[in-house]
Amino acid sequence: QKEVEQDPGPLSVPEGAIVSLNCTYSNSAFQYFMWYRQYSRKGPELLMYTYSSGNKEDGRFTAQVDKSSKYISLFIRDSQPSDSATYLCAMSGAAGNKLTFGGGTRVLVKP
Amino acid sequence: NAGVTQTPKFQVLKTGQSMTLQCAQDMNHEYMSWYRQDPGMGLRLIHYSVGAGITDQGEVPNGYNVSRSTTEDFPLRLLSAAPSQTSVYFCASSSRTGIHKGNYGYTFGSGTRLTVV
Repeated sequence: QKEVEQDPGPLSVPEGAIVSLNCTYSNSAFQYFMWYRQYSRKGPELLMYTYSSGNKEDGRFTAQVDKSSKYISLFIRDSQPSDSATYLCAMSGAAGNKLTFGGGTRVLVKP
Repeated sequence: NAGVTQTPKFQVLKTGQSMTLQCAQDMNHEYMSWYRQDPGMGLRLIHYSVGAGITDQGEVPNGYNVSRSTTEDFPLRLLSAAPSQTSVYFCASSSRTGIHKGNYGYTFGSGTRLTVV
């Protein structure tokens, strides 16, 4: 079983809808939680990061971490066609010196 | 302001050949790492380094070698290429100091697409 599980999708939504993404993990040592966006044939780019449990909001993006359930989420409000990409969750331990990724969820926002 | 630079962008190798994938960063980051990305598998850690002269194995190290003689460079060597090493390879870096100040995002290069025939 993988340390980090993520539904591969694809997740197709109409423009303006809320996109809801999530990951579950098994390693209780994970302390830092990140979401990356990856466009086709490009490198991942950091969207959001959070430490431990709680919520964090940045513009249209909200990241949530529930360490008791080992579950993290990313919500994208007012989705745009430009949000069509693969979204990867990633986690690391306290040292932050290496990342463990989920498999990625492909999102398609239709105009 | 180059960030993380990977070369080459594309490469085709024959089985048994060796080559080095180059990675350089200009942000003075202590942490550097190599990942491979295969369809449906996300990114898997090959090797990582926490500073010059210090490297360690990740999840899938077999068939790969690394060294870190400077802070800026972290090359990945394929010793004897196999078709199973056909993948997209990403190099990433992060600041240890930044992590402890609450900025723990990694910066990724644009990747090297490797095909082994």
